[in-house]
Amino acid sequence: SAVISQKPSRDICQRGTSLTIQCQVDSQVTMMFWYRQQPGQSLTLIATANQGSEATYESGFVIDKFPISRPNLTFSTLTVSNMSPEDSSIYLCSVAPRFEQFFGPGTRLTVL
Amino acid sequence: AQSVTQLDSQVPVFEEAPVELRCNYSSSVSVYLFWYVQYPNQGLQLLLKYLSGSTLVESINGFEAEFNKSQTSFHLRKPSVHISDTAEYFCAVSDTGFQKLVFGTGTRLLVSP
Repeated sequence: SAVISQKPSRDICQRGTSLTIQCQVDSQVTMMFWYRQQPGQSLTLIATANQGSEATYESGFVIDKFPISRPNLTFSTLTVSNMSPEDSSIYLCSVAPRFEQFFGPGTRLTVL
Repeated sequence: AQSVTQLDSQVPVFEEAPVELRCNYSSSVSVYLFWYVQYPNQGLQLLLKYLSGSTLVESINGFEAEFNKSQTSFHLRKPSVHISDTAEYFCAVSDTGFQKLVFGTGTRLLVSP
């Protein structure tokens, strides 16, 4: 299994500002994934982050809005830039080291 | 691209009654199927998964799901639910292994006494 921690667990931010979310895994993994869960909705994959290369973004998500860093095999950050109320969501990171995808506890973001 | 349909947004049942949560996915040559559960104020946990082999898979807490390729379905069932089963259940599919998952919209199971 994999144990994932995220910081912060929640935050309230003003529109136009940016927030960086950290994701730490207790083991080395090749890929890390960032998902968004909007209120009352399902999870949507934002991007896949590989160590040492640019993240791969899904349709509808762009690097300027959601820049991602992956400096090593156990850590990644997702920044939500120039936030608007529509960015209010739970952001989750996940890893899939072996036949199962594990999710972090999520970061609950509220944008006012 | 893969898609997942969970037809019921909410399923209310009484304790000890049977329940079925429906999940259909768009067709693909080969897929991997998952059910995740999210208890109130908790993170996502894997409930069960179909990778290959037997089409009937079971979880440790009495849930089971059957992979039906002809109907492209992966419905979740439990013969007798408990109050503690109250949660949001998400069906997910991947056609690229265990990496990119496409989730359904979720079904909220509400178990009452």
